[in-house]
Amino acid sequence: QKEVEQDPGPLSVPEGAIVSLNCTYSNSAFQYFMWYRQYSRKGPELLMYTYSSGNKEDGRFTAQVDKSSKYISLFIRDSQPSDSATYLCAMRRNSGNTPLVFGKGTRLSVIA
Amino acid sequence: EAGVAQSPRYKIIEKRQSVAFWCNPISGHATLYWYQQILGQGPKLLIQFQNNGVVDDSQLPKDRFSAERLKGVDSTLKIQPAKLEDSAVYLCASSSGTGVTGELFFGEGSRLTVL
Repeated sequence: QKEVEQDPGPLSVPEGAIVSLNCTYSNSAFQYFMWYRQYSRKGPELLMYTYSSGNKEDGRFTAQVDKSSKYISLFIRDSQPSDSATYLCAMRRNSGNTPLVFGKGTRLSVIA
Repeated sequence: EAGVAQSPRYKIIEKRQSVAFWCNPISGHATLYWYQQILGQGPKLLIQFQNNGVVDDSQLPKDRFSAERLKGVDSTLKIQPAKLEDSAVYLCASSSGTGVTGELFFGEGSRLTVL
């Protein structure tokens, strides 16, 4: 079993839809959870991060972590064509310099 | 603030040839990472440097891959000899290592095709 599992999609939705992206993980030591967005032929960029369990909201984006189920989610409200990208979940055991472990990424297309 | 610079952006070589990639991190970032991203997969850590010392190279195929970070700034990643399965994007990232997230800043990557 991989440490981090993520459905690679692709996922195609109409503009304005609510998008739900998910990852599961096996290592209970993970404490910091992040979502990176990667546009085609670009490097990943940090979108959201959450520590331990709970929700975090930033504009149209909401990140949720359920440590008891080892399950994390990213919700995108009122999706826009500019949201079309690959979304990578990532997690680490401790803060600072411990390496990130990434999921495969989910490729999202928002159709106008 | 300038981002992470990588070169070359694209490289095509034949198997058994060698290739080198260069990375210049964000100024002042002590931590530097090389990740390998195969098409359709997430980035996989190859090596992590803290200043010019290696922190983690457990997933680096040391029989063919080598990396160095001289003077704790720029870094090079070399593959010799290359195999078909080395076709991937090689991402360099840097981090100040501070704060809760220790956010990684990625370069645009170096795309390698091995024929």
